[in-house]
Amino acid sequence: DVKVTQSSRYLVKRTGEKVFLECVQDMDHENMFWYRQDPGLGLRLIYFSYDVKMKEKGDIPEGYSVSREKKERFSLILESASTNQTSMYLCASSFGGTHPYEQYFGPGTRLTVT
Amino acid sequence: AQSVTQLDSHVSVSEGTPVLLRCNYSSSYSPSLFWYVQHPNKGLQLLLKYTSAATLVKGINGFEAEFKKSETSFHLTKPSAHMSDAAEYFCVVSAGNSGNTPLVFGKGTRLSVIA
Repeated sequence: DVKVTQSSRYLVKRTGEKVFLECVQDMDHENMFWYRQDPGLGLRLIYFSYDVKMKEKGDIPEGYSVSREKKERFSLILESASTNQTSMYLCASSFGGTHPYEQYFGPGTRLTVT
Repeated sequence: AQSVTQLDSHVSVSEGTPVLLRCNYSSSYSPSLFWYVQHPNKGLQLLLKYTSAATLVKGINGFEAEFKKSETSFHLTKPSAHMSDAAEYFCVVSAGNSGNTPLVFGKGTRLSVIA
């Protein structure tokens, strides 16, 4: 079974703090993704990576950065957390290759910024 | 740009009656389409996927979806709803036709099942 794990299920941070969300997958997937999920808005892509040290902006990258130093690990960084970044954050991974594959999701991190 | 529209934000059915969750897509090429389910406080799970093979796709837990190119639709159905089907469902299209492109999610349909 594919396993995608996220470092925390729940996180509470203060405005202005630097926040790190970690994601690890164990299936040697090339692609990794970070989304945020808000009620009524579905999932919105923040950043994705299709190879080590590679990153691509998604639909809502402002206020976020990412790091992928190893194939199995993809980190999301909130440089200076703000209250409008309170959300559920979901990490996913998938195979790369010649056609789109399904993504496998972690359980999510519910981040509250106060 | 590729997109999906889930036509209902909330669907309510009685246990034992059919389920229909509607999804229309927009794509400039032959798309890959997916349905995911999210139970309360759980991660997303793949229900089924269409990748240009058979147009009627069978998934887990008795769900199926039919790809209709002429209608640009990919509706999700189940003959008989069970209480455990109550969840949020997402219709998803690939943003491109290679393996290095992300997926585009609909806004979700919340399914309620009434006993």
